[in-house]
Amino acid sequence: GENVEQHPSTLSVQEGDSAVIKCTYSDSASNYFPWYKQELGKGPQLIIDIRSNVGEKKDQRIAVTLNKTAKHFSLHITETQPEDSAVYFCAARDGGQGAQKLVFGQGTRLTINP
Amino acid sequence: DVKVTQSSRYLVKRTGEKVFLECVQDMDHENMFWYRQDPGLGLRLIYFSYDVKMKEKGDIPEGYSVSREKKERFSLILESASTNQTSMYLCASGSPPNTEAFFGQGTRLTVV
Repeated sequence: GENVEQHPSTLSVQEGDSAVIKCTYSDSASNYFPWYKQELGKGPQLIIDIRSNVGEKKDQRIAVTLNKTAKHFSLHITETQPEDSAVYFCAARDGGQGAQKLVFGQGTRLTINP
Repeated sequence: DVKVTQSSRYLVKRTGEKVFLECVQDMDHENMFWYRQDPGLGLRLIYFSYDVKMKEKGDIPEGYSVSREKKERFSLILESASTNQTSMYLCASGSPPNTEAFFGQGTRLTVV
């Protein structure tokens, strides 16, 4: 089955700087790669996703890139703000039958320092 | 707005107790999931369901069972709670062809 590795486990950046979180996956059949943000005391919430037929996707200050050949994808946050502090999870959709069976990475705790 | 509601935010149970975690979604989603969240391990899938009365094992089903008698409700059952089941439990729902999974706020379970 699918295996997703996420790095780093913790990341601390100065407000206004950029943050990058990286993930690798094992199953070449996986075709959907979402990123979730989990704020303190809340459940994860989808912030951006990318499908395997696209190399890059951007939404305001966040962007995701996908390299299918290398089987890795990354989350980029520019001009970081204090409200970006949270735990971020990458995921890959299992390439087998059925909908939405997501395999998650280990999570990255991002801290934005004022 | 999609709402996934878990019945408890915090639970403390004793070893050997039978524990029920309830999850209700209000968007008529076909798919529902139970994940377990532990530091450094991310979210791991325990069980999922594609339809009423249907269930499939995820990656870590041992010690758990589930019930889906109605479309909107998905219950996770710990038959005999053990201390290694102390964790954060997250319920999610979604509906094809939309691939987004919507999560509840989580239940932090402590088994003593």
